[in-house]
Amino acid sequence: EVELVESGGGVVQPGGSLRLSCEVSGFTFDENTMHWVRQAPGKGLEWVSLINWDGYSTYYADSVKGRFTISRDNRKNSLYLQMNSLLIEDTALYYCAKDIGVGKLTDDAFDIWGQGTMVTVSS
Amino acid sequence: DIQMTQSPSSLSASIGDRVTITCRASQSISSYLNWYQHKPGKAPKLLIFAASSLQSGVPLRFSGSGSGTDFTLTISSLQREDFATYYCQQSYSPPLTFGGGTKVEIK
Repeated sequence: EVELVESGGGVVQPGGSLRLSCEVSGFTFDENTMHWVRQAPGKGLEWVSLINWDGYSTYYADSVKGRFTISRDNRKNSLYLQMNSLLIEDTALYYCAKDIGVGKLTDDAFDIWGQGTMVTVSS
Repeated sequence: DIQMTQSPSSLSASIGDRVTITCRASQSISSYLNWYQHKPGKAPKLLIFAASSLQSGVPLRFSGSGSGTDFTLTISSLQREDFATYYCQQSYSPPLTFGGGTKVEIK
């Protein structure tokens, strides 16, 4: 069974840092592009970042560029999101999601999602 | 960045109704358009990718159409389990962007 499990969320003060993790199972992790997507309370979905299969290509939403860093460890079947200089507007449920692309290709659609981990930025 | 505009933002419909949701891109995105269903407390679910391809396991009452800048998601006969919020998303180029969502409610 394909599964994505996020962890690392919590409450942090503005300007603080958090590192989210996403542990995956049930598919060949090192052949898939992965994404982070978030949903602020009462708001819609917002794509955050993507990383290709080998980690050498990354993209970010303008709202997090320069503050967030996406990475992966294919030996551990894990995806990460290092979040620095957190703002109140970063408060959201953060999902990791698998790209639908097959065989190291990136199609930028999300076919498998985790249940999310909540990040709350508050003083 | 490519902006995605969905309409309506919400709608009320009855079981068995035909429902249509539209999505417009700020520039041509060919067929790089995907649709998701999202229910409270659940992970979003991919319904349609590449504008008109039905994701495995998704009921045939869901269909997608369009290309360029204008796209449509249609539910041919609304079922109780379809009450949810629907999002379009462009996969033409990063930064990837979602529409604002359409909440489908029971009339």
